Amino acid sequence: SQQGEEDPQALSIQEGENATMNCSYKTSINNLQWYRQNSGRGLVHLILIRSNEREKHSGRLRVTLDTSKKSSSLLITASRAADTASYFCATDVRFGNEKLTFGTGTRLTIIP
Amino acid sequence: NAGVTQTPKFRVLKTGQSMTLLCAQDMNHEYMYWYRQDPGMGLRLIHYSVGEGTTAKGEVPDGYNVSRLKKQNFLLGLESAAPSQTSVYFCASSVPGISGTTYNEQFFGPGTRLTVL
Repeated sequence: SQQGEEDPQALSIQEGENATMNCSYKTSINNLQWYRQNSGRGLVHLILIRSNEREKHSGRLRVTLDTSKKSSSLLITASRAADTASYFCATDVRFGNEKLTFGTGTRLTIIP
Repeated sequence: NAGVTQTPKFRVLKTGQSMTLLCAQDMNHEYMYWYRQDPGMGLRLIHYSVGEGTTAKGEVPDGYNVSRLKKQNFLLGLESAAPSQTSVYFCASSVPGISGTTYNEQFFGPGTRLTVL
């Protein structure tokens, strides 16, 4: 079963707008990561947020984590056509193991 | 650095044939992983390795075997391919996290698209 579930499954916005996607997970975690996947390519790490952090920024990316709700959000500000990709959250499992569990992803399309 | 490379990029097999997918990384990472990606399913972990000579099962290990004879290589084998193994396969690597319980980013290869007829 999936640990992380992204919402929405697909999102289309105009270039320059902000994009927000959400991730919910089921069990306690050590950290949560977000990855991007361009069509036909491998995943690329974007940002990692630890369970004791509430918000983290990296360039135009802002990630929040609410461990009480077991959820995270990824905000991309001032979107660009190059942001068109699928975005995945990935979680480990607290007291667990060396593995990550990936969600099913949000497909983001930026309309020029 | 080439990062993580995968060989081959594409392959078509007939049911019952065997093949080996090769993953190589030049970052001296301890951990390596094999995933499969199917439409609407996200990435699912097949097998992984936390060091040379060690392997462990992931979420969907049936029908696959792996070997980690050298730290930089991680091989995924299909002994008797089935149509259900049609998928895109990704290899990834990472360093162990702090104290072994928190994990750093994984670096992914470009993928192998496998079709089993």
